[in-house]
Amino acid sequence: NAGVTQTPKFQVLKTGQSMTLQCAQDMNHEYMSWYRQDPGMGLRLIHYSVGAGITDQGEVPNGYNVSRSTTEDFPLRLLSAAPSQTSVYFCASSYGLASHNEQFFGPGTRLTVL
Amino acid sequence: DAKTTQPTSMDCAEGRAANLPCNHSTISGNEYVYWYRQIHSQGPQYIIHGLKNNETNEMASLIITEDRKSSTLILPHATLRDTAVYYCIVRSQTGANNLFFGTGTRLTVIP
Repeated sequence: NAGVTQTPKFQVLKTGQSMTLQCAQDMNHEYMSWYRQDPGMGLRLIHYSVGAGITDQGEVPNGYNVSRSTTEDFPLRLLSAAPSQTSVYFCASSYGLASHNEQFFGPGTRLTVL
Repeated sequence: DAKTTQPTSMDCAEGRAANLPCNHSTISGNEYVYWYRQIHSQGPQYIIHGLKNNETNEMASLIITEDRKSSTLILPHATLRDTAVYYCIVRSQTGANNLFFGTGTRLTVIP
């Protein structure tokens, strides 16, 4: 199993540009989520999904859209990038919906918005 | 979810036990204690979790006080590879599997 994969690893955008951060998992996990991590801080939840076709907002959803058309993929879209979205983005997944299930994290995407 | 308090940083000599404390005085009866760690620039990694009994796995031990208001993560023989930020998270069993991270404890293992 490749686990949780994220692409790209690094990205530089100009203010106002749009892009999609890709996340995929091959473990047939129902739960997937996106977090962002700013320097010196812990991770903050952006959006999450409890299964294909179902998404919901986390702690900091503004400026981001998600969709979950398949179990494997959970892309994160930035519609109009802003410098405040400069951060490291982590995708995570877990088997089942119970909160005691271990979450597996991807390697992260480092995004800089100029 | 209950809030947790952890020291900002700790040092530990290589080969010695690392004891990382966490206070969660407002924890409720159905909330578990989870530990994750984040090695420099990587995604967080699950370590262990527990409800009220002490737990042990191949990575660490988790000691939860009888009143459940605090816990300690123990790395029995710290290595340089254990240098990381360690997050203590309290989470209920209900709702989606969302984690709320604080700033954690930065553990530095010294040769």
